[in-house]
Amino acid sequence: EPEVTQTPSHQVTQMGQEVILRCVPISNHLYFYWYRQILGQKVEFLVSFYNNEISEKSEIFDDQFSVERPDGSNFTLKIRSTKLEDSAMYFCASKDRGNTIYFGEGSWLTVV
Amino acid sequence: GDSVTQMEGPVTLSEEAFLTINCTYTATGYPSLFWYVQYPGEGLQLLLKATKADDKGSNKGFEATYRKETTSFHLEKGSVQVSDSAVYFCALSSPEPGAQKLVFGQGTRLTINP
Repeated sequence: EPEVTQTPSHQVTQMGQEVILRCVPISNHLYFYWYRQILGQKVEFLVSFYNNEISEKSEIFDDQFSVERPDGSNFTLKIRSTKLEDSAMYFCASKDRGNTIYFGEGSWLTVV
Repeated sequence: GDSVTQMEGPVTLSEEAFLTINCTYTATGYPSLFWYVQYPGEGLQLLLKATKADDKGSNKGFEATYRKETTSFHLEKGSVQVSDSAVYFCALSSPEPGAQKLVFGQGTRLTINP
């Protein structure tokens, strides 16, 4: 069964460093998303991406964050200068024209 | 804006007990409703969904019925197993076509004891 894959599964980074989280969405999907889950809290929407541009973003997705689809398969989330409060599980997700969003297994980011 | 409220956890049950996890929502129009499950150390998996009023979603013995009159989508299972221990998230999305995001509830941690 097709699945969303994410790398790395776990990354530890120093505060102020740049981080890139990578995702390969399901191949025929059109809509791409990033969500995050701070430990013990609810899953929060960050950004959606369609047709090579951001279609919606949340208040969390400030200027420190950016997304890119550099080729036909990868979808990346960049955090330019990480802060302690960016420590979270980051989930990539994708969707076809239907209404079901499929998630990857997540990338756990720890900022120290 | 749209929101989802789940019963607070954690919930602890014995094996073979009956499970109900309550979920209510606030939304304009007729959202699509979902239950996602997160097993320990894993990502979010779609458990079941319903896209219109009175639809019943079901999977792996779990069921949930879309109740528009009570704006609810409660998750039920008649006989839980230890392997059902996980965090369960209720979520909704707009039915309109496009990049409609999911809005999640806070999650309910379920522990099943043998």
